[in-house]
Amino acid sequence: SAVISQKPSRDICQRGTSLTIQCQVDSQVTMMFWYRQQPGQSLTLIATANQGSEATYESGFVIDKFPISRPNLTFSTLTVSNMSPEDSSIYLCSVVGGLAPYEQYFGPGTRLTVT
Amino acid sequence: GESVGLHLPTLSVQEGDNSIINCAYSNSASDYFIWYKQESGKGPQFIIDIRSNMDKRQGQRVTVLLNKTVKHLSLQIAATQPGDSAVYFCAEANLLTSGTYKYIFGTGTRLKVLA
Repeated sequence: SAVISQKPSRDICQRGTSLTIQCQVDSQVTMMFWYRQQPGQSLTLIATANQGSEATYESGFVIDKFPISRPNLTFSTLTVSNMSPEDSSIYLCSVVGGLAPYEQYFGPGTRLTVT
Repeated sequence: GESVGLHLPTLSVQEGDNSIINCAYSNSASDYFIWYKQESGKGPQFIIDIRSNMDKRQGQRVTVLLNKTVKHLSLQIAATQPGDSAVYFCAEANLLTSGTYKYIFGTGTRLKVLA
C-alpha cells in the first residue's frame, strides 16, 4: 500500500488569497487524484493529475481556480485560488495501486477554512 | 480532531451487535463497488470491494452484498467494536476506455458504536 502525506494538515485563510496544498507519495505512481469533501458531504473529484501532462478537470472545476502541478511521479500540488468561504472543505489527494487496479489510497486531507 | 460528515445519516449500534450500512448506487454498468471507512481527521481507507458480477463477498468481520436488481449495496460488520466508529462511504468504480477508473462516491453513513 502507498503512504501519502499532505501539507498543510489544516489552515485558516482570508478570502481572496490562495493556498497551495502539497501531496507526497512514498512510491512512484502514474495517476494522482484530488478530491474535495465539503462539510457533511461525500467526496467529489476535482481533477486527475498525470505526470508529464495537463491535469484533467471534472465538470464544475476549472484550472484557473484549482491549478495543479505534477512535477514528478511522487509529488503533486493543488492550489485553491482567490478563495471564498464556499471553498472551506477538506481537500484530499489519492493514488491507485495495491492488489487491485481500482484500489485507492488517500492522504490524511487538508482542512481549509476560509474567513 | 474535528469530524467529517457532521450532517450525515447516523447508525447507532450496541457494541457486539452486527451493523448493516446501506448504499444506493446510480450506474448499473459500474465494474466494481467499494466500501471505505473514514475515521475522524483521516482520509478514507479501503475496506472491501465486490465485482459487479458477484452478489456477496466476505472479508474479516465484514461482508458486502450487491443487489443489482435494485442497485443496492450493503456492508455488514459482525460483532461491531468501538474501533468501527467512523463514516462509511460506498463508491462505484467504472473502467474507462483509457484503461483508468473513474470513481463516484456515495453520501456516507456515520456509524456510532455504543458501549
